[in-house]
Amino acid sequence: EAGVTQFPSHSVIEKGQTVTLRCDPISGHDNLYWYRRVMGKEIKFLLHFVKESKQDESGMPNNRFLAERTGGTYSTLKVQPAELEDSGVYFCASSLSAGGPYDEQFFGPGTRLTVL
Amino acid sequence: RKEVEQDPGPFNVPEGATVAFNCTYSNSASQSFFWYRQDCRKEPKLLMSVYSSGNEDGRFTAQLNRASQYISLLIRDSKLSDSATYLCVVNSDTGRRALTFGSGTRLQVQP
Repeated sequence: EAGVTQFPSHSVIEKGQTVTLRCDPISGHDNLYWYRRVMGKEIKFLLHFVKESKQDESGMPNNRFLAERTGGTYSTLKVQPAELEDSGVYFCASSLSAGGPYDEQFFGPGTRLTVL
Repeated sequence: RKEVEQDPGPFNVPEGATVAFNCTYSNSASQSFFWYRQDCRKEPKLLMSVYSSGNEDGRFTAQLNRASQYISLLIRDSKLSDSATYLCVVNSDTGRRALTFGSGTRLQVQP
């Protein structure tokens, strides 16, 4: 069974440009999460989708970040315009729908974003 | 103060050694607890969940002390392949599924 996949694996852009990251969750997983790790810091939660609905977007840093999950399958995270402090590794995770707080979240390999 | 605190290490131990990692969390309402393992430049992977009664999986033992808000991971008979960063992870809020990560403890097992 395929795990969580993310595209691209690396992205290097200039400040002010736009970047769109994509995540494909494990098939059948209704829950999809975005996290990120900026240099020297711990991994931090960004948001949580249940199917196509945003369940929790309390971790989104500002309105330059837009996440979508049309149709409840794959998700995109757009950063527009990108700033230097957005550099880091963006992880996507997914989990099954019916479960409690011990539901395992399966992480994708991440997208390493560098803003110059 | 960070929500989840860990000693960053590194812990350098010889093969076969027993090593213990500790972690504290600040939110007393936290409801679920995990240890994740992360290899260099890879994604975090669940090592084990941590239950109130403590639990064991082969060479790994996890303990939870809710009164002290403290979680531990014990690795016995360390292998070279155990070298990685160990992340203490907490689900802090009832009704939310967001995970809160510690910054990780690096383990290097040496031959």
